[in-house]
Amino acid sequence: GAVVSQHPSWVICKSGTSVKIECRSLDFQATTMFWYRQFPKQSLMLMATSNEGSKATYEQGVEKDKFLINHASLTLSTLTVTSAHPEDSSFYICSARLKGWNNSPLHFGNGTRLTVT
Amino acid sequence: GENVEQHPSTLSVQEGDSAVIKCTYSDSASNYFPWYKQELGKGPQLIIDIRSNVGEKKDQRIAVTLNKTAKHFSLHITETQPEDSAVYFCAASTGGADGLTFGKGTHLIIQP
Repeated sequence: GAVVSQHPSWVICKSGTSVKIECRSLDFQATTMFWYRQFPKQSLMLMATSNEGSKATYEQGVEKDKFLINHASLTLSTLTVTSAHPEDSSFYICSARLKGWNNSPLHFGNGTRLTVT
Repeated sequence: GENVEQHPSTLSVQEGDSAVIKCTYSDSASNYFPWYKQELGKGPQLIIDIRSNVGEKKDQRIAVTLNKTAKHFSLHITETQPEDSAVYFCAASTGGADGLTFGKGTHLIIQP
């Protein structure tokens, strides 16, 4: 089945530093990848939609200069949290959709737990 | 935009009994409704999905029903087992390049 891999699975960083999270589709090509954020005991909130070769589309209230998204290939999207602060501590999860199948299921990675101290 | 409501927030059932989780959505253009199971510290795993041209879908102990007129859909788990304990999320999408809008989740507890 379709596998989405995220790296790292957890990261601790100091306030003011930047952190990069990678999302890879391992056995399929993904034109579109989505980034979600999940706070403890809450639902997943869509942050942005990442399309290969073009700029990401951000949801209302998500700062594009703080959460930099790069979708350089059909199998890799990265999310960089710039100048991280403690309130950015959260569980970040990516998902990917099979290329050419706009109605195919979304497959999720196992998430990245970010803790900003 | 789409709004998905999910109930109950917590559901405790005896092992072997059935569990039902219900969701409603607001956008009549939504046409894809997946259900995800999330275990602690992991990403959501797709367990079943249904499209708007189908009223019901079943996969072994799991079934999903969709009522487009009322804009609600439900997850049914029969013969529940301890490994069914997790948080379950419903979601809706209009398809295309759209991401999913999730419900707030249901913490399902299977009592031995």
